[in-house]
Formats: sequence, structure tokens, C-alpha cells
Amino acid sequence: QVQLQESGPGLVKPSETLSLTCTVSGGSISYYYWSWIRQPPGKGLEWIGYVYYSGNTNYNPSLKSRVTISVDTSKNQFSLKLRSVTAADTAVYYCARPRDHGDYVPFDFWGQGTLVTVSS
Amino acid sequence: QSALTQPASVSGSPGQSITISCTGTSSDVGSYNLVSWYQLHPGKAPKLMIYEVSTRPSGVSNRFSGSKSGNTASLTISGLQAEDEADYYCCSYAGSSIVVFGGGTKLTVL
Repeated sequence: QVQLQESGPGLVKPSETLSLTCTVSGGSISYYYWSWIRQPPGKGLEWIGYVYYSGNTNYNPSLKSRVTISVDTSKNQFSLKLRSVTAADTAVYYCARPRDHGDYVPFDFWGQGTLVTVSS
Repeated sequence: QSALTQPASVSGSPGQSITISCTGTSSDVGSYNLVSWYQLHPGKAPKLMIYEVSTRPSGVSNRFSGSKSGNTASLTISGLQAEDEADYYCCSYAGSSIVVFGGGTKLTVL
């Protein structure tokens, strides 16, 4: 059974860069699109973007200018970097994988989520 | 790309049926049969309940069903149970490798 686990700092200062890593266990990172999704407190889910195992990426247009998602197949990990953060970026961040390889959706496997707070 | 529109809340008594709507546009929900629904309990990972508009993953109760008409998708839960109380989110592929979620609906079982 595939398992995903987010890791990274729980507190980031305004204007700095939020960095998270998702470690995939129980399966290969190959041939899938791997997404980051977030949920600000009291708000809905927001898709941030994906990285394909080959390194191809696509991002939510609203975040595109600040986001980089990358993959490290040797470590079975993929990562999120969100630059110039503000309090509005405070959220629970999830990593997720679709049900079938080659598909963008639906998200069948999720990490437990990690809360990142942006505050000085 | 705007979020899909869901009612903020719905409620029902045990045993009753409820329906949650998810309204998008002709660019997302209306164009693709790639609508999925997720159940969120506080502190737990989201759970896929319905995909491709109306398909239930293995292990999901047949009390959950999905449908779509035009730009609006719907999730129906029949025979409401206390354990169904949660937040529900719809999601759609929106073309150009973009994914969009709904704003979420809080289901209260009275």
C-alpha cells in the first residue's frame, strides 16, 4: 500500500520560502503525477500543482509565479517550494497521488498533511 | 481558474438522504467526466469517495453515489449515518493540466 508523508518546517517567516518534502513509500514514484494541495484554516482545498516523475510540472495559475515543485526519483521524494510567503499561505499542506498512473485525478492516496504557519 | 461552487452546509437526520451540489463551468465540470468527491474528517487525510462522476472506489459504501448534469455535479448520501458527518469537497479536471476544487460543504447529521 502506497504511503505518503510530508515533512518540513512548521513555521516560516513572512517573505521567506516555504519548503516541504513528500516521501513516498510502498511504491515507486515512477509514472505518476504527484500533487501538492493545501487547506488554509477554515477554508477549502486548493490544488497547488503537480510534478511528473520525469520532472514535468504544472501549477495553479494563481500561485505559478511563486511555486516550484521538483522530484527526486532516487529518494522516492518530491518537494514543494513556495516563495515570498505571507500569512495567507498558512495552511495544512497535503501531498497526493492519483489513482492511476498517467492521470492527474482523482487523488486516491494522501499524506496526513502538515500545518505550516507563516508568522514572524 | 475559479473554485467550484458548493453549498456551505447541508444537514439531515439519520436514515435520510442528502445531496450536495457542485457547480462549475463548461470549461471544467461540463467538459470532463473527471469529477471526484472527497470526505474530510478533522485531523485525518482526505478520503476519495467518488471518481469519474459516479464510480465508487472499493470499500466505499454504496450509500454514496454521484451524478452530473451539464455544469453541475452532485453527491448523494442515502441512509445518513452519524459517521457521515464531515466536510465534502468536489474536484474537477479543468483542462490544460489544471485541477480545481470546490469550496467544501459541511455535512451535519442531526
